[in-house]
Amino acid sequence: QQQVKQSPQSLIVQKGGISIINCAYENTAFDYFPWYQQFPGKGPALLIAIRPDVSEKKEGRFTISFNKSAKQFSLHIMDSQPGDSATYFCAASGGSSNTGKLIFGQGTTLQVKP
Amino acid sequence: KAGVTQTPRYLIKTRGQQVTLSCSPISGHRSVSWYQQTPGQGLQFLFEYFSETQRNKGNFPGRFSGRQFSNSRSEMNVSTLELGDSALYLCASSRGGTGGIGQYFGPGTRLTVT
Repeated sequence: QQQVKQSPQSLIVQKGGISIINCAYENTAFDYFPWYQQFPGKGPALLIAIRPDVSEKKEGRFTISFNKSAKQFSLHIMDSQPGDSATYFCAASGGSSNTGKLIFGQGTTLQVKP
Repeated sequence: KAGVTQTPRYLIKTRGQQVTLSCSPISGHRSVSWYQQTPGQGLQFLFEYFSETQRNKGNFPGRFSGRQFSNSRSEMNVSTLELGDSALYLCASSRGGTGGIGQYFGPGTRLTVT
């Protein structure tokens, strides 16, 4: 119930292409869904987040699509660049037992080829 | 605005020893959450503190403990270190809502137990 399942585990995209990472959850009490980007040797950096009352949120080249009925959400990176090569984590939070707590997916390693 | 800082950045300890890690949150943030990151288990929630009170705790043994000071700085302690405690320990700060909203991570402390 508390799990967040993320796919794919790894992804290779050509420069200029679209990178798509998917996540699914079970707990309907979740009400906050962020995405984090992590470079080697660094902590995760908050990229973009969405609440379940909207179906899409866009910030620059990054878009979250949210499907509440399917309990799925995804990250789209448009015009992918080599500098986007990193590990991406989806996460979820919400519900009385999750104060201050993010539940993370297992991560997706993205490689953007020049 | 300065980000989350963690000290030390790297630590090597021997099995059976204890260790204390420190986290200074972003100015104005009152919540500090701690996570353990390993290749096998990913990012796992340890505990969260808000206004010097532990509000939530993950599924880790009692060897893992923490505290928060009146200036919101936080420490975590691991006693009787085991080889399996080798990990990247991350803290994240936020303003302190009930979920995991707006958590910003520090660079982490890399702990190696030999």
